[in-house]
Amino acid sequence: DAGVTQSPTHLIKTRGQQVTLRCSPKSGHDTVSWYQQALGQGPQFIFQYYEEEERQRGNFPDRFSGHQFPNYSSELNVNALLLGDSALYLCASSPQGREKLFFGSGTQLSVL
Amino acid sequence: GESVGLHLPTLSVQEGDNSIINCAYSNSASDYFIWYKQESGKGPQFIIDIRSNMDKRQGQRVTVLLNKTVKHLSLQIAATQPGDSAVYFCAENIGESGGSNYKLTFGKGTLLTVNP
Repeated sequence: DAGVTQSPTHLIKTRGQQVTLRCSPKSGHDTVSWYQQALGQGPQFIFQYYEEEERQRGNFPDRFSGHQFPNYSSELNVNALLLGDSALYLCASSPQGREKLFFGSGTQLSVL
Repeated sequence: GESVGLHLPTLSVQEGDNSIINCAYSNSASDYFIWYKQESGKGPQFIIDIRSNMDKRQGQRVTVLLNKTVKHLSLQIAATQPGDSAVYFCAENIGESGGSNYKLTFGKGTLLTVNP
């Protein structure tokens, strides 16, 4: 049984560019959450998707957007990249209504 | 334990000793708490969780204690091993459990180093 998978594992972009990160949830999970983890910090909640809709959002600007597909997989899009967007982006999945999250290994994004 | 400073709190123990990692949470209405272990280059891995109607829960070599009066959570690891070396995060659920309006909010983490 595959866990949460994310792609790519590493990515290098320059300021102003756009990036798309992808996530496949654990089998049987229908809810996907995205987190940003800066170096030396705990994960910060970006948003959560269920039934292809954004259900909750953290304190992130509109440059951060997402999508969930009918197969429950999800994408995170970041526009107009800033240096401060450099971080590990984590995807987590859970069955709807369950707080215990299962995390992927993340995508390490570097913005130069 | 957790702090509001910029530096990651650290705990260094000898192999075989017991470890206690502390966490102060922020919201008195939080009803679910969870501990994660994160090794370098990996995502957080579930260790143990507890609901607010309990004050103690035990797993394999780990125990979580919850003190709601002072909003404090601790993780105890028995007979700590070198493989336990990692960053440990506590997280609380701020939102309505069982519904769609919930999210986990993480603390800054504690770096545990186990010396052989």
